[in-house]
This record gives sequence, structure tokens and C-alpha cells, in this order.
Amino acid sequence: QEQLVESGGGVVQPGGSLRLSCAASGFTFSSYGMHWVRQAPGKGLEWVAGIRYDGHNKYYADSVKGRFTISRDNSKNMLYLQTSSLRVEDTAVFYCVRASGFNVGDYWGQGTLVTVSS
Amino acid sequence: QTVVTQEPSLTVSPGGTVTLTCAASTGAVTSGYYPNWFQQKPGQAPRALIYSTSNKHSWTPARFSASLLGGKAALTLSGVQPEDEAEYYCLLFYGDSWVFGGGTKLTVL
Repeated sequence: QEQLVESGGGVVQPGGSLRLSCAASGFTFSSYGMHWVRQAPGKGLEWVAGIRYDGHNKYYADSVKGRFTISRDNSKNMLYLQTSSLRVEDTAVFYCVRASGFNVGDYWGQGTLVTVSS
Repeated sequence: QTVVTQEPSLTVSPGGTVTLTCAASTGAVTSGYYPNWFQQKPGQAPRALIYSTSNKHSWTPARFSASLLGGKAALTLSGVQPEDEAEYYCLLFYGDSWVFGGGTKLTVL
């Protein structure tokens, strides 16, 4: 069945970088758009970034534009989020989310925690 | 900055009916915002309930329905069950980005 598994989270100092990964299985990855959604501890959901099924279009929330880069490797069924210039307020669980056009989030990963702290 | 507003909290009795709404700071919510709705229980990843205003997923219970109501997106629960106690989020499309509402904590009491 469809599965999304995130990895790459951890503790990083302000100004640092992390690369988050999401391994997809159980569906034709190259046919679906993908998104990253985050949730700060005790807070609501925040859409972070999205990428078209073929990787040709990428979209970002204003809060991460210029600092985060979404990418994908359809040959490996992998989604990535390269984060840089991390801030304390970027601390959150990051979820990998599948989309089919405007049907966003029919499948979610379990999330990976990024903690930005000195 | 685009803001999507939901009721912070609502309380409903078991078996009752409740409507959650989702408003856009930019004006009336239309089908072009492709509203999605999600349910999240403590310690779990969100689960999709509705996409493109009113379309249900195969796993969405029949007691959940959604529509546009008074310039807002709306999610209605009819015949509420105790297991419906959760946080509910709407998600709206803004052309080149998506924006979540702040969430509604639904208490079944």
C-alpha cells in the first residue's frame, strides 16, 4: 500500500542546514505532486513547499522562500527538502505529503522532527 | 499576508450536528480555492477528509460533508461520534501556494 517515510531530521544550530528525505512506495511516484507540510510543537499545520509530478514547477511559502529547496528524484522515488539558514522558529515536525492535482494530502508520512537550537 | 481563519474551538454533543468554517482574508472562498479538510488526533499525522470543496475520500465517513456556505468553506459533521473529537484544518489554494487555517479543536461532550 501507499507509504511515505521521512528521514533526516535532527538537532541543528541556528544558521545551520539539514536535508530531509522522503521515501515513497506503493504507488507510481512520478505521477503525483508532492508537498512538505510542517507543524511546530503544539501548533497548527503550515504548508512549506510543493513540487509538480515532473519536478518542473516548485512552490514555496513566503516564510521559507530563499532558504529551503524542494526537489525530487523520480528514478529513486524520493522527495527532498534542503533547508538552510535555519531559525529557531523552523523547529517542527516535517511531513511529506502526496497530492493529485488539487487533492492535497491523501497520504502523509509519519513526520521527521527538526529542532533548531543552540 | 494571507490568513485563513477557522473557529478556534467548538463543542458538540454526541449525535449532534456541527459546522466548521474556513474563511479567507482575501474575500469569499470559492471553488477556485479548492478547499481541502483534514482531521488530526493527538500524536498522529493528519488524515485527509475532503478535497476540492466537497469530494470525499474513500475512507471519509458518510457523516462528514462539506460545501461553500456564506462565502466560506464549511465542513459539517452530522450524528457526531465520540471518535470525531480532534483538530480539524482547512487548506486553501492561492495560485502558487497553499495556506492552512489555524485549526478548529472539536470537543465532543
